[in-house]
Amino acid sequence: RKEVEQDPGPFNVPEGATVAFNCTYSNSASQSFFWYRQDCRKEPKLLMSVYSSGNEDGRFTAQLNRASQYISLLIRDSKLSDSATYLCVVPLSNDYKLSFGAGTTVTVRA
Amino acid sequence: SQTIHQWPATLVQPVGSPLSLECTVEGTSNPNLYWYRQAAGRGLQLLFYSVGIGQISSEVPQNLSASRPQDRQFILSSKKLLLSDSGFYLCAWTRQGDSPLHFGNGTRLTVT
Repeated sequence: RKEVEQDPGPFNVPEGATVAFNCTYSNSASQSFFWYRQDCRKEPKLLMSVYSSGNEDGRFTAQLNRASQYISLLIRDSKLSDSATYLCVVPLSNDYKLSFGAGTTVTVRA
Repeated sequence: SQTIHQWPATLVQPVGSPLSLECTVEGTSNPNLYWYRQAAGRGLQLLFYSVGIGQISSEVPQNLSASRPQDRQFILSSKKLLLSDSGFYLCAWTRQGDSPLHFGNGTRLTVT
């Protein structure tokens, strides 16, 4: 099993729609989780950190399910500018490395 | 506030030529430093990471090397580039512990 796996998408949604996708992780000891967004040919940028059951920032909500070892990202009222690849990142235990998912591509259409 | 600088932004190099990419972090001390590579349309691949001056951990055997001559400086090098070294190279830093990564703007390397 891969350390971090994501819904690859692509998710193609109309403006104003809600879109949600998951990230599963293998390390049950992980305590922190991060969502990044990456625009085409740009560096990843931190979208949200999750240290407990979840986090909410405006239209973005992350929810953590420790029992099933997955974290989800939900985007409400999608905007054209939300079109990007969303990366799930999980620190590995006993190490300084962070494991990246392959990314979920979201395209919001007018 | 902390900032990370990475240069150059783009680079075109012939096969067999050397490479040196530099990354510096400001506003923090003793950061963990990372070099990632992203091939076109692919995910991020961890190349090297460092938890202190002179300490380098290599993740993928290849013709690249890394050095950390100062606390906030991380350098990626190659003596002879291969075509397969083309990609988007990203430097990143994080504090000790469960902290998020912060990326530089990246260097887009094309080996011709």
